[in-house]
Amino acid sequence: GQSLEQPSEVTAVEGAIVQINCTYQTSGFYGLSWYQQHDGGAPTFLSYNALDGLEETGRFSSFLSRSDSYGYLLLQELQMKDSASYFCAVSPYSGNTGKLIFGQGTTLQVKP
Amino acid sequence: DAGVTQSPTHLIKTRGQHVTLRCSPISGHKSVSWYQQVLGQGPQFIFQYYEKEERGRGNFPDRFSARQFPNYSSELNVNALLLGDSALYLCASSLAGRETTNQPQHFGDGTRLSIL
Repeated sequence: GQSLEQPSEVTAVEGAIVQINCTYQTSGFYGLSWYQQHDGGAPTFLSYNALDGLEETGRFSSFLSRSDSYGYLLLQELQMKDSASYFCAVSPYSGNTGKLIFGQGTTLQVKP
Repeated sequence: DAGVTQSPTHLIKTRGQHVTLRCSPISGHKSVSWYQQVLGQGPQFIFQYYEKEERGRGNFPDRFSARQFPNYSSELNVNALLLGDSALYLCASSLAGRETTNQPQHFGDGTRLSIL
């Protein structure tokens, strides 16, 4: 089976840096993705790691280590609008499908 | 360009009824996937269609079915509704069959289905 674990909640202050971890158990996958979702709205793609290492996109960075079955999303210079739920997801080796398996999500609360 | 559009936005049904949810992908996207998101959890994969063929099916009962039309829009049908089917149903489209850096999934705002 495949499962991804994330902390349920994280709190940080405006301007700070926060790291959201994702550990997984999966038999094999193409890559690790991160999505942001504001209060029941549409999940929005943030980042994708196909290979081990760091991917940087503006204030957001994502990291993957397949040997440690671990990844994280790093958010810098936090803003109030970053308060949202963040999901890690994997694209498993399961034929030629676009299936994504999501974690339970981490609710980030940014305080002034 | 318009994003992924879903209709209706909200729907209230009673147990035993059936429902049809609709999704229009981003123009040029040939892949459409459906997800169910229960409050407080991550989205759960239901179906993927690519070029009008079913590419994947999640662990959902046969009451759930879907199809993709020649214009790549899609419908999700759920029969014999149960209370547990209450959820946000998300549609996602992409250019390719699977997630890549340059071709991520684009999600719609979803249909919030409530079963009474």
